[in-house]
Amino acid sequence: EAGVAQSPRYKIIEKRQSVAFWCNPISGHATLYWYQQILGQGPKLLIQFQNNGVVDDSQLPKDRFSAERLKGVDSTLKIQPAKLEDSAVYLCASSLSGFGDGYTFGSGTRLTVV
Amino acid sequence: GENVEQHPSTLSVQEGDSAVIKCTYSDSASNYFPWYKQELGKGPQLIIDIRSNVGEKKDQRIAVTLNKTAKHFSLHITETQPEDSAVYFCAASMVGSQGNLIFGKGTKLSVKP
Repeated sequence: EAGVAQSPRYKIIEKRQSVAFWCNPISGHATLYWYQQILGQGPKLLIQFQNNGVVDDSQLPKDRFSAERLKGVDSTLKIQPAKLEDSAVYLCASSLSGFGDGYTFGSGTRLTVV
Repeated sequence: GENVEQHPSTLSVQEGDSAVIKCTYSDSASNYFPWYKQELGKGPQLIIDIRSNVGEKKDQRIAVTLNKTAKHFSLHITETQPEDSAVYFCAASMVGSQGNLIFGKGTKLSVKP
């Protein structure tokens, strides 16, 4: 089966600019996650979707980050305006059950804010 | 909420030796403990997992042990090979709720030929 697709692979922007990341989960996977991985650390959850509804966005900096999952399939994560500390790899994952197991991760988007 | 601690942060072994990575978790309700391998430029890949009703699980050269009482679990890699070099992450979640994975900070394993 095809894996989790993410684009772009790399992005360099200046602080205060905006950026968007795209994720296409594994077909049939109802649950989609966005994680932020800062260099040298483990991934940290930003937002979890079940179909097109938000399950958990408690750690999403809502003043600058937004995410949507239209029609319960693809998802977009946006940052506006970006800060230097947003430099990280943004990982998308999906799972069939949404009950905490069976994650498959994409390769991520590496964001550098200068 | 759940907190996962992972040690060591770096580990260097000779090819053929064993490697052990240890994690502790804080929430006794967690019942699912996966281990991920992340190679440079790639996303984390599941290598083995264990559920709280099992004390040990083995898959070829990789094994995971779980001590629910002490709230810690470990990854064991035997007969290490250079291709085992990567960053390894432990994680915990509570399967059955709409829980999500909480990750440790990772261990960079280097296997020297």
